[in-house]
Amino acid sequence: DTGVSQNPRHKITKRGQNVTFRCDPISEHNRLYWYRQTLGQGPEFLTYFQNEAQLEKSRLLSDRFSAERPKGSFSTLEIQRTEQGDSAMYLCASSSPRIPGTSGQIKQETQYFGPGTRLLVL
Amino acid sequence: GENVEQHPSTLSVQEGDSAVIKCTYSDSASNYFPWYKQELGKRPQLIIDIRSNVGEKKDQRIAVTLNKTAKHFSLHITETQPEDSAVYFCAAIGGAGGYNKLIFGAGTRLAVHP
Repeated sequence: DTGVSQNPRHKITKRGQNVTFRCDPISEHNRLYWYRQTLGQGPEFLTYFQNEAQLEKSRLLSDRFSAERPKGSFSTLEIQRTEQGDSAMYLCASSSPRIPGTSGQIKQETQYFGPGTRLLVL
Repeated sequence: GENVEQHPSTLSVQEGDSAVIKCTYSDSASNYFPWYKQELGKRPQLIIDIRSNVGEKKDQRIAVTLNKTAKHFSLHITETQPEDSAVYFCAAIGGAGGYNKLIFGAGTRLAVHP
């Protein structure tokens, strides 16, 4: 499978514990995104990397959350001191920016999603 | 920032009928609008997308239309089949929010009955 992969697929933890999730993007994609999806809602943006640089973070990403992409390939999302409200599906996506068109306009990029990590905090 | 509203939240149709899902967005500078299909327990999968310089796009039984003036875009599925049953999400990108994050609607649960 050459798509985006995520591990683990499921995680059950007790409140107060730390958890870490991993995302492996499509190999030639230099952009990587983390989203959170709660039941009955669409995914919500958390953060975004271009290569190893974390360029944007949502206000949803409290100081208990940290994301890294040390070598510009896989990424990890860590949640410290988990709370029951952290229970959700954590989705990773990757994309590759297109070459600017002759008109100079940056073309939009398609984001491809991984299967997600479902977190349950008891 | 950008806000995307999606209607209806649930849609039930008979096999062979058409299904239409509508979305509105708030940022007139948004310029890319993908649609994702998510089956239970699976990843969101892109099914079709449209850019702001195009009014309509079709791919077999699926079509998307965009009205930039009204800031509306819609997904049309014709000749629905039971395997079309899933949650469908619209999204928008661009504008003041930048080109780095998709803003999703809340989703439409489509049920196609044989």
